[in-house]
Amino acid sequence: DAGVIQSPRHEVTEMGQEVTLRCKPISGHNSLFWYRQTMMRGLELLIYFNNNVPIDDSGMPEDRFSAKMPNASFSTLKIQPSEPRDSAVYFCASSLATAGELFFGEGSRLTVL
Amino acid sequence: EDKVVQSPLSLVVHEGDTVTLNCSYEVTNFRSLLWYKQEKKAPTFLFMLTSSGIEKKSGRLSSILDKKELFSILNITATQTGDSAVYLCATYSGGGADGLTFGKGTHLIIQP
Repeated sequence: DAGVIQSPRHEVTEMGQEVTLRCKPISGHNSLFWYRQTMMRGLELLIYFNNNVPIDDSGMPEDRFSAKMPNASFSTLKIQPSEPRDSAVYFCASSLATAGELFFGEGSRLTVL
Repeated sequence: EDKVVQSPLSLVVHEGDTVTLNCSYEVTNFRSLLWYKQEKKAPTFLFMLTSSGIEKKSGRLSSILDKKELFSILNITATQTGDSAVYLCATYSGGGADGLTFGKGTHLIIQP
């Protein structure tokens, strides 16, 4: 079975540009999570969806961040405009709603210059 | 606010040594504790613990949970260089899959 698939794997962009990160969860999983990981703060939950509906976006740092899940097999995390402090690895993870185990994608490493 | 604290933050040992990684937590509505291993890429699942005192074991790795003292340990015996990774502890507080709180991890380096 394919795991969680994220793209791009790496992105380098300039401050002010729009960044879109993509995620395909594991088929059959109905919860999807976006995490950001930095050395200083570790893994931080940004937003999660249950059955394609955003449940908690309190971790989204500010209005520059937005996430969508138009269907059960696709989600995007958008940063517009991007800033250097957004540089991090962004992980997407999926799970069955009633289970604690998350399955992570390989991450998207974002560098904003 | 739920809190998960791991120690040590980093650890360097020689191949063949045994290591113990610690995870303490303060979580409302605790349901389970999970351990993940993160090498260069995504965290991969190791164990999920729900009951106190019952050891989970997988090869050279084992883990146990103490729900009275609110902590868990992850043991690795006869360490190998391939065990070098960041080990993440997370707690699940139920209410759907929203209640996963991660610690900052222990960075383990195994020297040959």
